[in-house]
Amino acid sequence: GAGVSQSPSNKVTEKGKDVELRCDPISGHTALYWYRQRLGQGLEFLIYFQGNSAPDKSGLPSDRFSAERTGESVSTLTIQRTQQEDSAVYLCASSLERGSRVNSPLHFGNGTRLTVT
Amino acid sequence: AQTVTQSQPEMSVQEAETVTLSCTYDTSESDYYLFWYKQPPSRQMILVIRQEAYKQQNATENRFSVNFQKAAKSFSLKISDSQLGDAAMYFCAYRSGITISTEAQKLVFGQGTRLTINP
Repeated sequence: GAGVSQSPSNKVTEKGKDVELRCDPISGHTALYWYRQRLGQGLEFLIYFQGNSAPDKSGLPSDRFSAERTGESVSTLTIQRTQQEDSAVYLCASSLERGSRVNSPLHFGNGTRLTVT
Repeated sequence: AQTVTQSQPEMSVQEAETVTLSCTYDTSESDYYLFWYKQPPSRQMILVIRQEAYKQQNATENRFSVNFQKAAKSFSLKISDSQLGDAAMYFCAYRSGITISTEAQKLVFGQGTRLTINP
C-alpha cells in the first residue's frame, strides 16, 4: 500500500539558494504535518494543514520558510535563501482526522535530508 | 505548553534481554495521547505503541508494553526479548486529545533515546 512519499530523498544545495521539498500524503488523509529534525535531535514542529482550514504556521522558524497544500493532496515546503543552519532532515506526516477528537496516528515519510554547503 | 523529556540519550541491551526506556511529560490537560515511535537508519518514524490517557490499562503490542503512570506523568516503554532489529532511535511523543484549535494537534516529541542491541 502507498505510504507517505517525500522527494527528493537527499538534497545538497549552496548557501543562498532556494529549495522545494515535496510531500505526497496517504490518499484520503486530511491532516498533513511538516517536522524538522536536526542531527541527533528530536523533531521540531514546523507547520500543520487540516483540510481547507487555515494552516498552523506557529513552528516556522523564519519568514524564509513557507509551505503550501492544495486541498488534501500534495504539499510543498519551500526554504528561501538557505543557510547552513537549515541543514536537517525534513519529515512529513499525514493522518486521518475526523471531528474534534484527535485519535488517528501520524504516518511519516522517509524524510528529505537537506545539506546546505 | 507541553514538554516531553527523555533522560536517557543512549541505552544498550543484550539480545533476548529486556530493556526499559524512560519518558516523562508535563501537561495541565487531562485528555491526551502518548506515543512511542521508532526511527531506524532509514529515517522513517514507525509507530510502536500508543496510550490513551483516559485508559488505566497499560497498552501492549507483542513484545512492547508501556508503564503509564498518569499521576507521575511517566510513560516508559518496555521491550522484552530484544532483537537486533529493535536497534533504533526511540522517541516518546505527546498529543492533546480534544482539540479546539490547530495549536493542540501537533505531536510534541522528546529528544530521543538511541537503543543498541548487543548480540
